[in-house]
Amino acid sequence: AQSVTQLGSHVSVSEGALVLLRCNYSSSVPPYLFWYVQYPNQGLQLLLKYTTGATLVKGINGFEAEFKKSETSFHLTKPSAHMSDAAEYFCAVSDAGYSTLTFGKGTMLLVSP
Amino acid sequence: GAGVSQSPSNKVTEKGKDVELRCDPISGHTALYWYRQSLGQGLEFLIYFQGNSAPDKSGLPSDRFSAERTGGSVSTLTIQRTQQEDSAVYLCASSFSRQSTYEQYFGPGTRLTVT
Repeated sequence: AQSVTQLGSHVSVSEGALVLLRCNYSSSVPPYLFWYVQYPNQGLQLLLKYTTGATLVKGINGFEAEFKKSETSFHLTKPSAHMSDAAEYFCAVSDAGYSTLTFGKGTMLLVSP
Repeated sequence: GAGVSQSPSNKVTEKGKDVELRCDPISGHTALYWYRQSLGQGLEFLIYFQGNSAPDKSGLPSDRFSAERTGGSVSTLTIQRTQQEDSAVYLCASSFSRQSTYEQYFGPGTRLTVT
């Protein structure tokens, strides 16, 4: 069975500050890892994903994440927060080759001026 | 092109009534998924369809939930005898294929409220 833990249901940062959203996973097989963002009253949008290869992956809107197998982590970062980044972020894992996603409970990112 | 669409966007129903939620996937996508997003439970997988293969129903929470996909395109999620714990946002997603390397595109969801 797979699981995802996102530390912190809410994270607050100031505009221009570093964004760090934490994600740890559990998987018995090599995982595929994803970060999704959800804006109010909208569906989920893929930010970035790790499947194989380079462990540092870059996504849209300046976000990136690093797969660390030894730490079973896939933390999401952005060097400088923007007001438009305020949203809920979900980390997800799937088996390599399969499509069912297991999601974390989400982290709401709050950005203050 | 058009994304995944869902209808209705909001649905309020009385406990015990049946409801149908509709999903129109992106044209050409063979895989279709239903998820449920509720407070305290996060996002849960419900069911997925891949082409003409038998659907994976492993995430359906009870036999009151069922889904079908007609003609490999539109899907309907039906909840019979709704309960208050069924209140949630139901999200549909589609992808080109079941392979995990293909992105799942999500619709805006249907917010179901059971009173």
